[in-house]
Amino acid sequence: DIVMTQSPDSLAVSLGERATINCKSSQSLLYNSNNKNYLAWYQQKPGQPPMVLVFWASTRQSGVPGRFSGSGSGTDFTLTISSLQAEDVATYYCQQYIGTVPTFGQGTKVEIK
Amino acid sequence: QVQLQESGPGLVKPSETLSLTCTVSGDSISSYHWSWLRQPPGKGLEWIGHIHNTGSTNYSPSLKSRVTISMDTSESQFSLKLTSVTAADTAVYYCTKYNRGSYAFDIWGQGTMVTVSS
Repeated sequence: DIVMTQSPDSLAVSLGERATINCKSSQSLLYNSNNKNYLAWYQQKPGQPPMVLVFWASTRQSGVPGRFSGSGSGTDFTLTISSLQAEDVATYYCQQYIGTVPTFGQGTKVEIK
Repeated sequence: QVQLQESGPGLVKPSETLSLTCTVSGDSISSYHWSWLRQPPGKGLEWIGHIHNTGSTNYSPSLKSRVTISMDTSESQFSLKLTSVTAADTAVYYCTKYNRGSYAFDIWGQGTMVTVSS
């Protein structure tokens, strides 16, 4: 299985500041035939199911605020929250789907400083 | 808008079979692919398996010997059976819609907590 490793495990950011979460995969998630990276980002608030924020590494899901953006290619990816809001306190997961077994990172917990 | 609701026992004895059902509303179950995932308390997410709209299935290799996912289109439901459970199977179980276009799990049920204990 492809191993997904996120960093950091947790971070505290002041309201209005930028939050950056990194995700590294054990093999490339870039499918050459369509030039797409098979990576998604999810947000999970306490007591709630996850919600997809970004797919294809950088395509924002409909309805997701513009302050969330995904970037990266190959094995290294980033989720950026450009201006942290109180409602963004959550755990964020990256997930790959290029392999036969979808796998997730261990999660990054984002809190307010 | 598709909505999903899990149902099933919250407590299962060790060595017995965990059985959960996901009821789909808002659209035809035959139009999409569906998945089960789980999340042990305080831990991350684990994919269990998919069932495609054709009825074909894919399972996690680590669970494959114990898992069956099936679909009942007449009831607009899909189901999970996990045999020979142990305490390690204690988790919140989620049913999800698997988006064939984005390859993401784009709609989730609220989840149901299943505890394996005697």
